[in-house]
Amino acid sequence: AQRVTQPEKLLSVFKGAPVELKCNYSYSGSPELFWYVQYSRQRLQLLLRHISRESIKGFTADLNKGETSFHLKKPFAQEEDSAMYYCALLSGNTPLVFGKGTRLSVIA
Amino acid sequence: DAGITQSPRHKVTETGTPVTLRCHQTENHRYMYWYRQDPGHGLRLIHYSYGVKDTDKGEVSDGYSVSRSKTEDFLLTLESATSSQTSVYFCAISESRIEETQYFGPGTRLLVL
Repeated sequence: AQRVTQPEKLLSVFKGAPVELKCNYSYSGSPELFWYVQYSRQRLQLLLRHISRESIKGFTADLNKGETSFHLKKPFAQEEDSAMYYCALLSGNTPLVFGKGTRLSVIA
Repeated sequence: DAGITQSPRHKVTETGTPVTLRCHQTENHRYMYWYRQDPGHGLRLIHYSYGVKDTDKGEVSDGYSVSRSKTEDFLLTLESATSSQTSVYFCAISESRIEETQYFGPGTRLLVL
């Protein structure tokens, strides 16, 4: 069965420090991976998807099929990055599968 | 925000009572989804719909039913609410499964006493 693992429930970093939110998946085929973000008092929204290869708000994520990972990275954290981040997997004919989420807290 | 609304936004109910949550969209998207969000569990899919009268179960469908009689409305019903169904419920839509960029509603906080 498809599964998404986000090993950290909470990640605290200082402003200006690098951030890496980990995501690992299990799927034997060709996956599509996404990162969704939920800021305080806002709706959950798409941050980025691997096929678009974009950098959104300074965040990037590279799909590593060998390690089955899709870690989210940003070189310099900002206070406004504090939010809940969900990694999600699209595979085969099944709907998106979300991980349990990581709460990022950026400390001033 | 995509044209997605949820009603009610907050509800307190008692164990054993039926509850219906409504998701309404103005985007004419084909796919609609119901999730619940719980600490430590993240987002879990309850049911989804891929067209009018076409629905399928998600990961945590027990105790829930859905209906979609119009493209724009997707109803989630708790036939007999239990305390374990206390949660935040999110509706989402997507234009197609292949696209699968989902747009989320504002959520409904449900407390079952």
